Formats: sequence, structure tokens, C-alpha cells
Amino acid sequence: EPEVTQTPSHQVTQMGQEVILRCVPISNHLYFYWYRQILGQKVEFLVSFYNNEISEKSEIFDDQFSVERPDGSNFTLKIRSTKLEDSAMYFCASSENRPNSPLHFGNGTRLTVT
Amino acid sequence: AQSVTQLGSHVSVSEGALVLLRCNYSSSVPPYLFWYVQYPNQGLQLLLKYTTGATLVKGINGFEAEFKKSETSFHLTKPSAHMSDAAEYFCAVRGHSQGAQKLVFGQGTRLTINP
Repeated sequence: EPEVTQTPSHQVTQMGQEVILRCVPISNHLYFYWYRQILGQKVEFLVSFYNNEISEKSEIFDDQFSVERPDGSNFTLKIRSTKLEDSAMYFCASSENRPNSPLHFGNGTRLTVT
Repeated sequence: AQSVTQLGSHVSVSEGALVLLRCNYSSSVPPYLFWYVQYPNQGLQLLLKYTTGATLVKGINGFEAEFKKSETSFHLTKPSAHMSDAAEYFCAVRGHSQGAQKLVFGQGTRLTINP
């Protein structure tokens, strides 16, 4: 069964550094998402992406964050200058072009900012 | 705006007992509803979904959920708990509009199974 893959599984970075989290969505999906989950807390929506542009973003997704689909397969989340509070699990998801289709999630990237 | 409330952040049951995880939603129109499971150090896996039609939906691993519009609920049940069911469970809602509709998650319920 096709799946969403995320790399790396764990990223450690120093405060103020830039990080790029990578995702390969399921190939025939058209909608892409990033969510994050701070340890022990709920899964929070960050951003959705369609047709090479952001569809919706949350208040968490400020100017430090950006997303890109640099080629036909990858979908990336960049954090320009990481803060301690960015430490979380980041999940990528994709879905088909139907509102009743579920989101398919990757296994996540655990980001630790020191 | 849509939202989901999961009653009980922790639920503990004995192996073989009934599992009941509660979820109530808030939406101006009947939404699409989902349950996801998260095993330790893993991603979110779809358990089941309700879109239209039959209000009792069956999912993987013996779980099922019933959509009750009058109660705005979508509770998850399993007749007999297994040790392997220990995980975090998330109820989620999605709107009907076309486009990249996001999933909105509840706070999650951690299910513990006692031997």
C-alpha cells in the first residue's frame, strides 16, 4: 500500500538554525499538509498546500515557516530560525482530491531544538 | 468552525473488556468524521471514517464507531480489548467544502489495557 514517507526521522538542531523537513506524499494525491505534535499534546494543523500554493495556514505558521514543492515528488517544511518551542513531532500528510477522503500521515520527524 | 471534544484524556480497561472512547463534534453541517490511532513513536493510522450512508462504521482491528447526529457524537468502541490496543486515539473532523480541507483533531485519549 502506498505511504507517505518523511525524512529524517529525528533531527537535532541548535536554536537559531534553519531546518528543512522532507516528505514524499502518496503519488496520486493532490493535497498536502503539515501538522505538529508537541510532546503529550494534541495534533495541531500548520498548513495545507494545493496547486503549488498555500490553501490555509494556522496562526502557528508564522513568517519563520515556509513550505515548498521543489519537484514532482517532495514536499518540504522549512523553519528559518528555530526556537526551543519548535521542538515537536512534525507530521506530513496527503489526501486525494475528494473532501471525504482521509488524510494519510507519515511517521513523522522528531525535531529537537537545543 | 468545526471542533472535536474527546471526553477523557486517559481510559484504562482490562483485557477482554469493552472499550468506549468518546467523541463529540461541533459543526454547522454534518461533517466527515474520522478516528486515528497512534502507537508509541509512530505516525497516525486511520482506524475508520464516516462520510455518508450507514451510521455504524467498522474499521480495522475490530473497532467500530456510530455517528449520532442528534447527539453530535461519534464514539469509538471495541467489544473486547486486546493488549495490542494500547495507544493514543484521536477523533477528527473535516469539512465538506472542496479543496484542501484540513482535519481538526481532538485532544486525544490514551488507552491503557490492564492484563
